Amino acid sequence: SQKIEQNSEALNIQEGKTATLTCNYTNYSPAYLQWYRQDPGRGPVFLLLIRENEKEKRKERLKVTFDTTLKQSLFHITASQPADSATYLCALGVTGGGNKLTFGTGTQLKVEL
Amino acid sequence: NAGVTQTPKFQVLKTGQSMTLQCAQDMNHEYMSWYRQDPGMGLRLIHYSVGAGITDQGEVPNGYNVSRSTTEDFPLRLLSAAPSQTSVYFCASYLRGGEAFFGQGTRLTVV
Repeated sequence: SQKIEQNSEALNIQEGKTATLTCNYTNYSPAYLQWYRQDPGRGPVFLLLIRENEKEKRKERLKVTFDTTLKQSLFHITASQPADSATYLCALGVTGGGNKLTFGTGTQLKVEL
Repeated sequence: NAGVTQTPKFQVLKTGQSMTLQCAQDMNHEYMSWYRQDPGMGLRLIHYSVGAGITDQGEVPNGYNVSRSTTEDFPLRLLSAAPSQTSVYFCASYLRGGEAFFGQGTRLTVV
């Protein structure tokens, strides 16, 4: 069966450190992968998109990698700040079949002073 | 630019009642989707649409109906509410291969 797995346990890190979140998938051939941020009581907000033929993407303090052989994406936040505390969701996009976006369960990140 | 607008924000229903969750977008996006979010379950796709007049089922469609008569609107209908449908519902719109824009969500409680 198809699965998208993210760490269900919260990730606690100290301010200034790099946070690394993992997204693993099985039985998908995604054309692209996206990362979203969700704050309590709010809808998810788009952060980054990486396509199947790309290895790495960066945006300010954010970096995402995509390894289609390992079926894994890593999401990094460098120089983390308490304001980065939120739940982060990965989503796979498959072209054709309605271009559905399928989401992982999300990982909660807490950045402590 | 309003983006994606969902109404209502909160709703309490009695078991067996019906209701419609509204979703409207003003970005001329071809794709729209409805998700429900439950603790520990992430976002699960209920129904989606690839354009006006075209809808299809997602992962958890039972108990829900949708229609897409215009590009802008994508309402979700609960035919006969059940306690298992207590959840937070999100509507999203996007272009093919692009980022999804989400509404603020509807928190539904069925008693």
